[in-house]
Amino acid sequence: KAGVTQTPRYLIKTRGQQVTLSCSPISGHRSVSWYQQTPGQGLQFLFEYFSETQRNKGNFPGRFSGRQFSNSRSEMNVSTLELGDSALYLCASSLSLAGTTDTQYFGPGTRLTVL
Amino acid sequence: AQTVTQSQPEMSVQEAETVTLSCTYDTSESDYYLFWYKQPPSRQMILVIRQEAYKQQNATENRFSVNFQKAAKSFSLKISDSQLGDAAMYFCAYGGANSKLTFGKGITLSVRP
Repeated sequence: KAGVTQTPRYLIKTRGQQVTLSCSPISGHRSVSWYQQTPGQGLQFLFEYFSETQRNKGNFPGRFSGRQFSNSRSEMNVSTLELGDSALYLCASSLSLAGTTDTQYFGPGTRLTVL
Repeated sequence: AQTVTQSQPEMSVQEAETVTLSCTYDTSESDYYLFWYKQPPSRQMILVIRQEAYKQQNATENRFSVNFQKAAKSFSLKISDSQLGDAAMYFCAYGGANSKLTFGKGITLSVRP
């Protein structure tokens, strides 16, 4: 079974631009979560989607948004990019409601660099 | 809010030896799960082992085992017969009712040949 895939793997943007990252979960998984990883802050939870609905949101500004499609694929959008948004963005999928604490399986990440 | 603490930023182990990585957590929930993830230089986060809080028996996966002390809120990972491929960053993570994972800061493990 194919793992979690994320596209693109690398992105370079300039301040003020916006960016969209994509995540395809493991087949049959319905929950997708997004995390930001930086050297200073470590791994921080962004949001989780299940059945096209955002179930949980971390402490990030409104510039960070996401959505989930009927096939469980998810996109994350960051508008008005800032230098501090440079990070590795990780997507994770799980079988059902993560509230049941199904194991989350991670994709390879998208490395975003903001210049 | 839940917190996860990994107080050792780095550790080193000789190949074929055993090493233990420490993790403590804080929570008021009674039902939760704990995880160890491995992140090699490729940055792909890989699940190493998972422990359900309601289970008294410590989880094991081949050379990897945990020492789960619920009362002490401690969750350490033991790697036996360390291999060069075990070199990576290891994250302890907490998963509770609100579905998100809370991660520790991670520990960089190096393996000496």
